[in-house]
Amino acid sequence: DVVLTQTPVAQPVTLGDQASISCRSSQSLVHSNGNTYLEWYLQKPGQSPQLLIYKVSNRFSGVPDRFIGSGSGSDFTLKISRVEPEDLGVYYCFQATHDLTFGSGTKLEIK
Amino acid sequence: EVQLVETGGGLVQPGKSLKLTCATSGFTFSNAWMHWVRQSPEKQLEWVAQIKAKSNNYATYYAESVKGRFTISRDDSKSSVYLQMNSLKEEDTAIYYCTLASRGWFAYWGQGTLVTVSS
Repeated sequence: DVVLTQTPVAQPVTLGDQASISCRSSQSLVHSNGNTYLEWYLQKPGQSPQLLIYKVSNRFSGVPDRFIGSGSGSDFTLKISRVEPEDLGVYYCFQATHDLTFGSGTKLEIK
Repeated sequence: EVQLVETGGGLVQPGKSLKLTCATSGFTFSNAWMHWVRQSPEKQLEWVAQIKAKSNNYATYYAESVKGRFTISRDDSKSSVYLQMNSLKEEDTAIYYCTLASRGWFAYWGQGTLVTVSS
């Protein structure tokens, strides 16, 4: 099974600063069809998860352009510029190239 | 507006059964690929099952951890998807979310329903 390792486990941040979350895969996530099925989800406190990014770098509808997904192969990053209070919560990466697996989450919290 | 509403969760003893229902609205259900995803008390997310549309012969897929015990199904006339859970184990305790695939695998989520398996 593919393992997704997210770092850090918790990311203290000052509002207005940039935050960065890493997701590393135990295997390349490039599918045989050329696509890379790596997604990012945010679960705000007391809410269901919500889709932010699909196929590495595509923002889902309504997601602010402060959220930027990047990476390739087995190394991916989610950057959040100018962090706002509504960005706080737990971020999960997810891959659908080989079976379907989630990372264990990164908590974005106030410093 | 897409809406997904899960019901049917509760407390159940190990070895027993439970059926979850997800009622949907706001999109063309008959064309939709639907999933169940669960979140353990430790907050780990796990994909559980998928059902594709009629045009894909209602193909179903399951996580290894539930294969042979859980069954996903749908009723297009009711815009609903179901999860029949048999032979429940304590490790099945989780919040179960119904999700809709659209661009992303889990583009829309319901509010979830809690299933607790305990004697």
